[in-house]
Amino acid sequence: GAVVSQHPSRVICKSGTSVKIECRSLDFQATTMFWYRQFPKQSLMLMATSNEGSKATYEQGVEKDKFLINHASLTLSTLTVTSAHPEDSSFYICSATGLAPLMWETQYFGPGTRLLVL
Amino acid sequence: DAKTTQPTSMDCAEGRAANLPCNHSTISGNEYVYWYRQIHSQGPQYIIHGLKNNETNEMASLIITEDRKSSTLILPHATLRDTAVYYCIVRVALQGAQKLVFGQGTRLTINP
Repeated sequence: GAVVSQHPSRVICKSGTSVKIECRSLDFQATTMFWYRQFPKQSLMLMATSNEGSKATYEQGVEKDKFLINHASLTLSTLTVTSAHPEDSSFYICSATGLAPLMWETQYFGPGTRLLVL
Repeated sequence: DAKTTQPTSMDCAEGRAANLPCNHSTISGNEYVYWYRQIHSQGPQYIIHGLKNNETNEMASLIITEDRKSSTLILPHATLRDTAVYYCIVRVALQGAQKLVFGQGTRLTINP
């Protein structure tokens, strides 16, 4: 149980284009989903927290107009990187937490999406 | 959330127990200790968590000192697949918001 998937696993795009990354909880309902970013040889940095049906809460320094987050259902959250630039190239990872007791206490992570902007 | 201190790297022989320490001297009474690991180019994997008591599951054991200022993650019989970065995180479970703040972790290398 507690499986989180991400799609795509890797994507290459041209500078100026937008990229959408999907995060799905496969076997539980995710009341809260989180989006992280990880640059090479660095630790994970939280970008934003999203609750189903409400606006995401962004961490300080993260541009909400550039990183659009939608959490429209209890099993799906999307991150759209708008007008991507080479400095947005990174490893994007989502996590989810749910309603059941163990689900509530623990975040389960997806496998990550590697974005390369040329 | 309280900060944690972990060694930057550790080595362990395959088949031996790997003991990963973590200091969290400023932990509050309602903060849990969580352990995750990240194998290269993958998302973090949940290992175990605890509040006060020692915990054990199929992956590892978590030993928390009585004053809760430090803990040790034990992988009883390390294999090459346990090579990863291990993160010790302390967290308060706020209503609807459960941030995990990742430090630099311990890079554990299991040697054959």
